[in-house]
Amino acid sequence: EIVLTQSPGTLSLSPGERATLSCRASQSVSSSYLAWYQQRPGQAPRLLIYGASSRATGIPDRFSGSASGTDFTLTISRLEPEDFAVYYCQQYGSSPRTFGQGTKVEIK
Amino acid sequence: QVQLQESGPGLVKPSETLSLTCSVSGGSISSSYWSWIRQPPGKGLEWFGYIYSSGSTSYDPSLKSRVTISVDTSKNQFSLKLSSVTAADTAVYYCARHAAAAAMTAFDIWGQGTMVTVSS
Repeated sequence: EIVLTQSPGTLSLSPGERATLSCRASQSVSSSYLAWYQQRPGQAPRLLIYGASSRATGIPDRFSGSASGTDFTLTISRLEPEDFAVYYCQQYGSSPRTFGQGTKVEIK
Repeated sequence: QVQLQESGPGLVKPSETLSLTCSVSGGSISSSYWSWIRQPPGKGLEWFGYIYSSGSTSYDPSLKSRVTISVDTSKNQFSLKLSSVTAADTAVYYCARHAAAAAMTAFDIWGQGTMVTVSS
């Protein structure tokens, strides 16, 4: 099973600032089959990024993803008020599908 | 656009079987992959398994002995059964669609989730 470790656990930032979220895999993720999801309180997760760096339909371009080996990064270039939420990474290259434990982006 | 809606009992007794259904609207359940995921209160996401519209399945090995996922294409629904539940199975349960009608893809559409509590 691939274990995904997200850091930091909580990120305290102000609107307009840049957010950098990390996700490290315990082993290689096939073909960069890694996704990022956003979850607002009381809502289902929403797909942001797939294939490590491709934005899902309707996702603003302030969200971007990148990969380097087993390290994956989600960057939010300028935080909007609606971006304060919990973010999860997930690998779908092998079974079982696994998620990271989440990073909470909170208002400073 | 495709929408998913989970339904089922919100309260299940310990040792019993949890049964949930996901109804697909706005599109066909055919030729796509569908998963179940859960989230215990205040915790992260856990994947159970997926089913293809033909009925083929793949489960998380750690849950495989307790999980059954099935599909009813005539009703445009798929279902989850989890046996021998304990309090640790208390969670919000989500159904989700695999993007691009493939197994190895992200989950692009999610249901709103349904809370299931295991308690006597």
